[in-house]
Amino acid sequence: NAGVMQNPRHLVRRRGQEARLRCSPMKGHSHVYWYRQLPEEGLKFMVYLQKENIIDESGMPKERFSAEFPKEGPSILRIQQVVRGDSAAYFCASSPTDNTGELFFGEGSRLTVL
Amino acid sequence: GNSVTQMEGPVTLSEEAFLTINCTYTATGYPSLFWYVQYPGEGLQLLLKATKADDKGSNKGFEATYRKETTSFHLEKGSVQVSDSAVYFCALRRTALIFGKGTTLSVSS
Repeated sequence: NAGVMQNPRHLVRRRGQEARLRCSPMKGHSHVYWYRQLPEEGLKFMVYLQKENIIDESGMPKERFSAEFPKEGPSILRIQQVVRGDSAAYFCASSPTDNTGELFFGEGSRLTVL
Repeated sequence: GNSVTQMEGPVTLSEEAFLTINCTYTATGYPSLFWYVQYPGEGLQLLLKATKADDKGSNKGFEATYRKETTSFHLEKGSVQVSDSAVYFCALRRTALIFGKGTTLSVSS
């Protein structure tokens, strides 16, 4: 059973460009979570999605960031008009249920904004 | 609100030393508690968990006990190895996992 797959692993963008990060959850998992990791700040929750629904986006910046998890295909975290402060590692996690179980993490996508 | 506080690192130990990483939480009710570990360049892996008060989670020689009286979930290991060098995250579960800032452990031989 393949784990959570994220791509690209590394992405370089210039200021003002768009970044798209993809996440395929583990087989059988219908819940996806995105986190951002900045040095010295740990992991910050961004958004929680189920298929075709955003359940909790309380950690998403109000502007330039969006996420989706379509009926078919991977979940996408989209960052428009990137700025240097968006440089970070973005981790995706999935779970089969949404209550007290563990989350399974991908290896992350590292975004560098020049 | 819900939050997790971990002791600040880095923690530097010699091989076979005893390890404690403190973790306390603030939450309504009694959430499930977790310790995750992150090795360099990798994602997070579940180390252990406890779902109710007084539960003890254990794995790979690591242990942590869910203490509701002190709202704590301290991580311990009796004898660390060089291969335990990593970043350790304490977390509680609400809609998603809420993490502490992480504690870097460095073990030397």
